Amino acid sequence: AQSVTQLGSHVSVSEGALVLLRCNYSSSVPPYLFWYVQYPNQGLQLLLKYTTGATLVKGINGFEAEFKKSETSFHLTKPSAHMSDAAEYFCAVSGGYGGSQGNLIFGKGTKLSVKP
Amino acid sequence: ETGVTQTPRHLVMGMTNKKSLKCEQHLGHNAMYWYKQSAKKPLELMFVYSLEERVENNSVPSRFSPECPNSSHLFLHLHTLQPEDSALYLCASSHPFGGPGDNEQFFGPGTRLTVL
Repeated sequence: AQSVTQLGSHVSVSEGALVLLRCNYSSSVPPYLFWYVQYPNQGLQLLLKYTTGATLVKGINGFEAEFKKSETSFHLTKPSAHMSDAAEYFCAVSGGYGGSQGNLIFGKGTKLSVKP
Repeated sequence: ETGVTQTPRHLVMGMTNKKSLKCEQHLGHNAMYWYKQSAKKPLELMFVYSLEERVENNSVPSRFSPECPNSSHLFLHLHTLQPEDSALYLCASSHPFGGPGDNEQFFGPGTRLTVL
């Protein structure tokens, strides 16, 4: 079984500051990990994903995340926040192969605010 | 049209009405999903179809009835809803479990449902 914990339901940063959104997962099988972003009144859009290979993955809009197996973490970072980054961010895990473990299990989301 | 589309984008209905939500994907996927997103609650997986067969139904009330006539279309039929069913309903698609790809789900923009 898989689960995801996102620490902090709300994160506020100043424009130009580092963005760090935390995600820890639990999985009984090698995980696939995802970060999605949701802007108001829109669906979820994939930011980046880790499946296998390089543990530091780069996504759209300058975001990146690092898979740390020893810490069961997949934190999302961006060096310099922009006003347009204000949105809700969801971390998700799947089991990587068939059956119900193929479903994505989502965290509760972290709402990011960016102050001018 | 590309990606995943949902209609209508907004729906207001009374508790005695019957309505349907429609989802269409143009990505060649064979798995489709319905999610419910309520304010201040995590994303809830409602139904999963893989290769046009329902593979998961997460204890959803019978007033919600899904239909998947082919791999490109997914419907959610609604009848005698309650005000607490008001939410954003999201559709997603992916490759089927155990198939090619990495379980990445592609989301539509959602239908904002209000039950009076």
